[in-house]
Amino acid sequence: NAGVTQTPKFQVLKTGQSMTLQCAQDMNHNSMYWYRQDPGMGLRLIYYSASEGTTDKGEVPNGYNVSRLNKREFSLRLESAAPSQTSVYFCASSDQRGGQDTQYFGPGTRLTVL
Amino acid sequence: SQKIEQNSEALNIQEGKTATLTCNYTNYSPAYLQWYRQDPGRGPVFLLLIRENEKEKRKERLKVTFDTTLKQSLFHITASQPADSATYLCALDGSGGYNKLIFGAGTRLAVHP
Repeated sequence: NAGVTQTPKFQVLKTGQSMTLQCAQDMNHNSMYWYRQDPGMGLRLIYYSASEGTTDKGEVPNGYNVSRLNKREFSLRLESAAPSQTSVYFCASSDQRGGQDTQYFGPGTRLTVL
Repeated sequence: SQKIEQNSEALNIQEGKTATLTCNYTNYSPAYLQWYRQDPGRGPVFLLLIRENEKEKRKERLKVTFDTTLKQSLFHITASQPADSATYLCALDGSGGYNKLIFGAGTRLAVHP
């Protein structure tokens, strides 16, 4: 099992460029999440998908869009990147069984917007 | 407003001692609280979950307590080792959302030989 995988690992963009961050999980989990992590701040939820075919906004959704392509894959798109979106992005998944929301995280994507 | 607080200063301890990390929260009534470990350049890894009706949970050298009156969780690592050096994050289930975790900023632990 690879767990949660993310691509790319690193990316540098210029202001206004667009890109899609890819995430896939092989644990047959129903729920998937996108977070951003900035220095001195906790992980902040951008979007989540409780199950295939559904997506909902988290705490900081502005400037992002998501697609739950199938049960395995959940992508995050930046349509017009801004320097404020420089961050480390983590994808996570969880199974939701028994009320335990243990989340499994990918290795992260380090994004710099110039 | 809702807030989760973890000590932003690094905790430095000697190998073999017990490390104690604190997580305080306000304006939440979480059904459970979790602790994660994060190494530099990596994603968080789940360690322990404790529910609101549990006072204490143990796993090997780890122990977590949960005091819903004080709105506080303590995370202990006994017989600490240099390999325990990492950032430790607490997370609780956010109110008003579907299984959405709210994370603290984390406390960095450094265990010195």
